[in-house]
Amino acid sequence: EAEVAQSPRYKITEKSQAVAFWCDPISGHATLYWYRQILGQGPELLVQFQDESVVDDSQLPKDRFSAERLKGVDSTLKIQPAELGDSAMYLCASSLLLGSFYEQYFGPGTRLTVT
Amino acid sequence: LAKTTQPISMDSYEGQEVNITCSHNNIATNDYITWYQQFPSQGPRFIIQGYKTKVTNEVASLFIPADRKSSTLSLPRVSLSDTAVYYCLVGPRGGTDKLIFGTGTRLQVFP
Repeated sequence: EAEVAQSPRYKITEKSQAVAFWCDPISGHATLYWYRQILGQGPELLVQFQDESVVDDSQLPKDRFSAERLKGVDSTLKIQPAELGDSAMYLCASSLLLGSFYEQYFGPGTRLTVT
Repeated sequence: LAKTTQPISMDSYEGQEVNITCSHNNIATNDYITWYQQFPSQGPRFIIQGYKTKVTNEVASLFIPADRKSSTLSLPRVSLSDTAVYYCLVGPRGGTDKLIFGTGTRLQVFP
């Protein structure tokens, strides 16, 4: 069964450093999402792509976060500089159809710890 | 976007049927009811979606009354591996609404 791939699975970084996460969606899925999940809470959408275009980045802290999906396939989420409050699980998801309420397939996530 | 209310936590024992109810009083005509399951340290997994009456798959059943103001996720004969957080979400397919997960229902299954 096809899966969403994410790397790294775990990342520890010091505050003020830069960090990047990578996501490879299921082949053929044009829609890609990045979520952040703080411990004990549900995932929160950061950015949504349709192919290489950003559909929604209203919740992305643009002063320090950036996301790209240059060729409309894999995607990178970057944080620079990292802050203590960025410690969380970063989840990538993809779906075949545009529209959040179509089935989304989530990757295993990247657990970020900022010290 | 319809707001949902679900219990914070539930306990059960292996072999029992578990029913998790979600309230969504302001559900719109074109909204679907969707449930995701999340195990610790994993991403959420879509388990079922419905619009009205009853939907059943190999994992769960979803019961939706005629007024659609609530729904019940039913897990038959739970096992320890069903221990997870279950999220109820309501919104339209194909629209611009985003998934707003909330805190979900934490189901703990005991032996």
